[in-house]
Amino acid sequence: KAGVTQTPRYLIKTRGQQVTLSCSPISGHRSVSWYQQTPGQGLQFLFEYFSETQRNKGNFPGRFSGRQFSNSRSEMNVSTLELGDSALYLCASSLSAGGPSDTQYFGPGTRLTVL
Amino acid sequence: KNEVEQSPQNLTAQEGEFITINCSYSVGISALHWLQQHPGGGIVSLFMLSSGKKKHGRLIATINIQEKHSSLHITASHPRDSAVYICAVRSWWTGNQFYFGTGTSLTVIP
Repeated sequence: KAGVTQTPRYLIKTRGQQVTLSCSPISGHRSVSWYQQTPGQGLQFLFEYFSETQRNKGNFPGRFSGRQFSNSRSEMNVSTLELGDSALYLCASSLSAGGPSDTQYFGPGTRLTVL
Repeated sequence: KNEVEQSPQNLTAQEGEFITINCSYSVGISALHWLQQHPGGGIVSLFMLSSGKKKHGRLIATINIQEKHSSLHITASHPRDSAVYICAVRSWWTGNQFYFGTGTSLTVIP
């Protein structure tokens, strides 16, 4: 099976712009989670989708949003970019959102740089 | 206040040594995950635990729910084990969101 894929892998934007990142989960996985990783804060949970519904959300401002499509692919959007949004954005897929099939399979990440 | 604390932050070991990384958490959890991140960013899930002990090859993970503590052990460490090990919990206290430790950077010297 193909692993989790994320596009693009690298992105450079300027402050005030918006960005959309894409994540394709492993075939058959219905849950997709998004994470932000920075040197200062480490890994932080953004949100989780299961069957097109947001199931959980971390403590991020409303500028961060996401959605999931019927084929389980997911996108996350960050509007009005700030310098502090520069980070590695990771998505992970799993069979379920919680429970015994909750092993997270991570994608390679999208490196976002905000200038 | 961090919901998940890991120790040590950095660890250097000689090849062949037995290694222990500790994780303590302060929230109610439905599961605890141990992750491995190699230089370059790729993250791999090693274990998911809700009770007891799991073993995979040279890796062993244990969890004590009453003490809110988990350990990751590496037996007969090898230079390829050099990576950052991250403890994560899914907390039912806050709608099942994830909380992460800051990671333990392990270097195994040949």
